[in-house]
Amino acid sequence: AQTVTQSQPEMSVQEAETVTLSCTYDTSESDYYLFWYKQPPSRQMILVIRQEAYKQQNATENRFSVNFQKAAKSFSLKISDSQLGDAAMYFCAYRPGGGADGLTFGKGTHLIIQP
Amino acid sequence: DVKVTQSSRYLVKRTGEKVFLECVQDMDHENMFWYRQDPGLGLRLIYFSYDVKMKEKGDIPEGYSVSREKKERFSLILESASTNQTSMYLCATQGANQETQYFGPGTRLLVL
Repeated sequence: AQTVTQSQPEMSVQEAETVTLSCTYDTSESDYYLFWYKQPPSRQMILVIRQEAYKQQNATENRFSVNFQKAAKSFSLKISDSQLGDAAMYFCAYRPGGGADGLTFGKGTHLIIQP
Repeated sequence: DVKVTQSSRYLVKRTGEKVFLECVQDMDHENMFWYRQDPGLGLRLIYFSYDVKMKEKGDIPEGYSVSREKKERFSLILESASTNQTSMYLCATQGANQETQYFGPGTRLLVL
């Protein structure tokens, strides 16, 4: 079975600084997708960034980028120029390629932005 | 934009009651999912459906059932609610040729 591990229950960063959230996963599949989702307090879960395992290039979305290390099964999220609106729970998730499988989530990292 | 709605944001039920949580999506997506979210445990998959009247068990299906009579609607049913089913329930949807799941706002269920 696949597992996703987020080893940082809580992280704190100063506004405008950079923070990296860690995620490791375990799978025997070669084709899969990795995701970072953001859940602001009392608000809807939204996708931050997605990475296809077959792509070597790391995904980037504005201030958000990932460091995808396939051999190490590591998928960290870097948030640059942190803003107050980035404060949220961040979940790393995995899904095998093809078909309609559910996501396997990590336990989440609570990100605090210090003004 | 994908719109996923859930019938209630907050729900309070008594032990033993039959509970229906409904999820509706407007994007004609084939795949729909129910997760529960608990502090310190992340999200766990309860059931999913890849077509009308089709369902598959997820990781924690015990105590739950689902119904999908129409493509846009996916219901989660607690046949006899118990206190350990107090949780946040999230519905998600995904198109057949897409990788991303889109989530509803969640239903926070309290079973007394």
